[in-house]
Amino acid sequence: DGGITQSPKYLFRKEGQNVTLSCEQNLNHDAMYWYRQDPGQGLRLIYYSQIVNDFQKGDIAEGYSVSREKKESFPLTVTSAQKNPTAFYLCASSAKGVFGQPQHFGDGTRLSIL
Amino acid sequence: AQKVTQAQTEISVVEKEDVTLDCVYETRDTTYYLFWYKQPPSGELVFLIRRNSFDEQNEISGRYSWNFQKSTSSFNFTITASQVVDSAVYFCALSEAGNRDDKIIFGKGTRLHILP
Repeated sequence: DGGITQSPKYLFRKEGQNVTLSCEQNLNHDAMYWYRQDPGQGLRLIYYSQIVNDFQKGDIAEGYSVSREKKESFPLTVTSAQKNPTAFYLCASSAKGVFGQPQHFGDGTRLSIL
Repeated sequence: AQKVTQAQTEISVVEKEDVTLDCVYETRDTTYYLFWYKQPPSGELVFLIRRNSFDEQNEISGRYSWNFQKSTSSFNFTITASQVVDSAVYFCALSEAGNRDDKIIFGKGTRLHILP
């Protein structure tokens, strides 16, 4: 079945450590997105990519980095510069070129500090 | 300015009651899309419906119905005869034609508890 796979489901980070969250999609979507969800905050956009080898900062990009070397993959690295990384991270994708396409989401990764 | 407002942070109703989730949006674009997503306890967001700004017809899908009113900038979601499985966080969202990157702006969500 087509969909978005995020891994791992749970992740723990030590102080000063970088961690990478995986997001893979087989929907043949051009656009991919990373969101952070905190209780009562809704979804906040971290980074997004409309095409391979190109990506843009969202509303809360500080302390995060991404790459888009393949259409199917959009990994997110939470760097040590992100002082409050504990949150639920959601990856999404959508078809590009037709306005108003819904985004399809993965199951999320829950990141906690050790 | 917040573009999608879901004023109800949390709602609890008894099973089989009807419940309406409110969504008010703000945009200067004449062309836009509105969405509703469901986030069950498992975490993933499930797409429920999309409505474009030129189609104010109400939509019904089983026990779910949506009321889009441009005059009040609202896109409310009603669950009829609620069931425990409807317990989730529901997000309303907006995509504006003027946004070249096709970004979707989400409200903060309404947590719905259906009590048995």
